[in-house]
Amino acid sequence: DVKVTQSSRYLVKRTGEKVFLECVQDMDHENMFWYRQDPGLGLRLIYFSYDVKMKEKGDIPEGYSVSREKKERFSLILESASTNQTSMYLCASSLDILYPGPQHFGDGTRLSIL
Amino acid sequence: DQQVKQNSPSLSVQEGRISILNCDYTNSMFDYFLWYKKYPAEGPTFLISISSIKDKNEDGRFTVFLNKSAKHLSLHIVPSQPGDSAVYFCAARLNSGGSNYKLTFGKGTLLTVNP
Repeated sequence: DVKVTQSSRYLVKRTGEKVFLECVQDMDHENMFWYRQDPGLGLRLIYFSYDVKMKEKGDIPEGYSVSREKKERFSLILESASTNQTSMYLCASSLDILYPGPQHFGDGTRLSIL
Repeated sequence: DQQVKQNSPSLSVQEGRISILNCDYTNSMFDYFLWYKKYPAEGPTFLISISSIKDKNEDGRFTVFLNKSAKHLSLHIVPSQPGDSAVYFCAARLNSGGSNYKLTFGKGTLLTVNP
């Protein structure tokens, strides 16, 4: 079974802090994704990566950056956290960018910015 | 512009009956559709998918129907069980060459199956 692990289930940070959210997958997947889930808005794609050191912006990249130095690890960075970034953050991975295989999700990180 | 719409925020059904969750889309370039289920405090899990060249896909109690002319798909769960109570997300993949990796999600429908 695919395992996508997010480093923290709950995180509380202060406005202006630099925040790192970590995600690791154990199935050698090429593609990794970061979403945020907000009530009434569904899942929205922030960034994704299709290979090491490669990244593409999703639908809502503003205020975020990402890092993928190793194939199994994909980090989301909030450069200067703001209260409107309080949300549930979900990491996902998938095997092949062309084959429409399902994305496998981690259990999420609930981030609160005070 | 919301390209994938789940117009019912919630649905309640009795155990043993059929649950029908609906999803509408606006972009005719979507070529693949997926349903995910999400329990509280867990990540979404893949449930079932359908290619745009098909009109039906079945997996056990779950069947997805696609009506391309109406740009509508539905997920049928028969019979419904209390353990099916969760939020269900519809997602669609846009086949546009370099962007075929992205999924667009609906806002979700909360299904409650009452014993």
